[in-house]
Amino acid sequence: KNQVEQSPQSLIILEGKNCTLQCNYTVSPFSNLRWYKQDTGRGPVSLTIMTFSENTKSNGRYTATLDADTKQSSLHITASQLSDSASYICVVSDRGSTLGRLYFGRGTQLTVWP
Amino acid sequence: EADIYQTPRYLVIGTGKKITLECSQTMGHDKMYWYQQDPGMELHLIHYSYGVNSTEKGDLSSESTVSRIRTEHFPLTLESARPSHTSQYLCASSGESSYNEQFFGPGTRLTVL
Repeated sequence: KNQVEQSPQSLIILEGKNCTLQCNYTVSPFSNLRWYKQDTGRGPVSLTIMTFSENTKSNGRYTATLDADTKQSSLHITASQLSDSASYICVVSDRGSTLGRLYFGRGTQLTVWP
Repeated sequence: EADIYQTPRYLVIGTGKKITLECSQTMGHDKMYWYQQDPGMELHLIHYSYGVNSTEKGDLSSESTVSRIRTEHFPLTLESARPSHTSQYLCASSGESSYNEQFFGPGTRLTVL
């Protein structure tokens, strides 16, 4: 069964600190992995997309890593800001269908305190 | 500016009412999707469309229906709303990029009393 598991479920950090969010998946055949940021009451917004051959991708203070062998990914946030408070969702796409089906994790709820 | 829009953003209605959630995109994307999301849970695909006059049911069974008469418009309708339909509904679209990246609208928060 294709699944995406994220940890931790929730995380509280102080402003300025770094944090790392984890994602494990069993989706096969693998196409790509994305990290989305979802603010409360809003739709998800893409942060990074990585294919099988990419193992690191950065977007400002966000750095995603991918280990396709162990089927693990992480999202590292550097020097956190209050605006980073949101749900971070790991999404894996398969290449077994024309639709390019997406498999969503439940997200990690990050809260940044001043 | 190319974007994807959803209206209304919030809707509170009584049981038995018929409702339509609107979704429009100005990116010229052929594929469009409807997802349902409950608090703290993952998104579940309920409907999708490959293009005009194409509609398919997703992974999660839903009593809602959709239509795709125009490329840019993908409305979702509930003929008789029930409290179990209370949820957030997210619309998305994707083009022909190799990543099949989906762009999401802001969502509609539906509450059925």
